[in-house]
Amino acid sequence: GDSVTQMEGPVTLSEEAFLTINCTYTATGYPSLFWYVQYPGEGLQLLLKATKADDKGSNKGFEATYRKETTSFHLEKGSVQVSDSAVYFCALSERGSTPLVFGKGTRLSVIA
Amino acid sequence: DTGVSQNPRHKITKRGQNVTFRCDPISEHNRLYWYRQTLGQGPEFLTYFQNEAQLEKSRLLSDRFSAERPKGSFSTLEIQRTEQGDSAMYLCASPQLAGVTNTGELFFGEGSRLTVL
Repeated sequence: GDSVTQMEGPVTLSEEAFLTINCTYTATGYPSLFWYVQYPGEGLQLLLKATKADDKGSNKGFEATYRKETTSFHLEKGSVQVSDSAVYFCALSERGSTPLVFGKGTRLSVIA
Repeated sequence: DTGVSQNPRHKITKRGQNVTFRCDPISEHNRLYWYRQTLGQGPEFLTYFQNEAQLEKSRLLSDRFSAERPKGSFSTLEIQRTEQGDSAMYLCASPQLAGVTNTGELFFGEGSRLTVL
């Protein structure tokens, strides 16, 4: 079945450092790909998405590009802030059919 | 605020007791999803409804779990004879757009945290 694999955390970075969180997926069709974020004490929020190959999703300085050839959707940010400290989840959905499948999450801590 | 409301936000119960969670989804959305999230894990799909019909159930949904959506609006998730392994956050979600088509994107409520002692 469909699955998502994320790099394990926790990831600890200094403010203004470059962030990469790796995500690869397995799917039978052509899924939509998502990054969700969960800030401390808050619910899951959609961060960004991409619905077809080579699409780039972006939001709040974060970016991820849908790479069909490597089945990847890595999350990047050029300069992280303390307020970016959260748990990040990669997820996929086979469009129009199956519910979202999530990775296990990667905890990011940014220190000043 | 995603518009998905869940209650109670936190429930502490003793092993063997029954608990019920309620979800009020974004209005006019045909589909409603339930997920479970345990500590250090990503959300895991439990079940979903289209209107009042329960269309899919995960193997995680044992016989002790039952979900309903009687009028195609709010939904309840009941756990009977709770076990310590049921301790988790139970999440409800609505899809992005009203109507039948599922774009994949979901809006989540803040969840109902269950602690079984």
